[in-house]
Amino acid sequence: GAVVSQHPSRVICKSGTSVKIECRSLDFQATTMFWYRQFPKQSLMLMATSNEGSKATYEQGVEKDKFLINHASLTLSTLTVTSAHPEDSSFYICSASEWGAGRLQETQYFGPGTRLLVL
Amino acid sequence: SQQGEEDPQALSIQEGENATMNCSYKTSINNLQWYRQNSGRGLVHLILIRSNEREKHSGRLRVTLDTSKKSSSLLITASRAADTASYFCATAISGTYKYIFGTGTRLKVLA
Repeated sequence: GAVVSQHPSRVICKSGTSVKIECRSLDFQATTMFWYRQFPKQSLMLMATSNEGSKATYEQGVEKDKFLINHASLTLSTLTVTSAHPEDSSFYICSASEWGAGRLQETQYFGPGTRLLVL
Repeated sequence: SQQGEEDPQALSIQEGENATMNCSYKTSINNLQWYRQNSGRGLVHLILIRSNEREKHSGRLRVTLDTSKKSSSLLITASRAADTASYFCATAISGTYKYIFGTGTRLKVLA
């Protein structure tokens, strides 16, 4: 099946710094990727839809200036948490779907996640 | 919130028993998918059922979908300790590519 990677797998940073998380589709082209956030023992909450070559679409309540998304190529989307604060500590997961038969395929393939801890 | 709900929130069973978890959702959907997540890891896709399907099997997994009740169930037969994980349903909202996840069921299979 399709493989999605994320880097780094975990990061610890100081409050006020910015952190960039990469999401890559390794063996397929992903015109659309999704970013989720997950708090401990909770479900995934969709943060934004990342579209290659255009602006991301953010879900209600997600600050676009806080969570910068760039999807510069068909295999890479990045999420930058700007001026991180302890409340941004969370598990961030990306996913991607393949494009085939003229449409985005239904199955989403998830990256392994990035655990962010802001001190 | 559009988020779906799953029950039970937590389930503990003995190895060899069957595990059933349920998912309810709120909007019209294109399909519903079930995922497994081991602690602190990414999600693994288990099975997809389309809105015009009622039941689907994959190995020890059986999924049902009742669109009139906006609900789905996942049955894991002959459970194993390795099935211990959190299970989430995700619904594809009609007209979008977005998926909304349920609250999840934490399954523990005791050896």
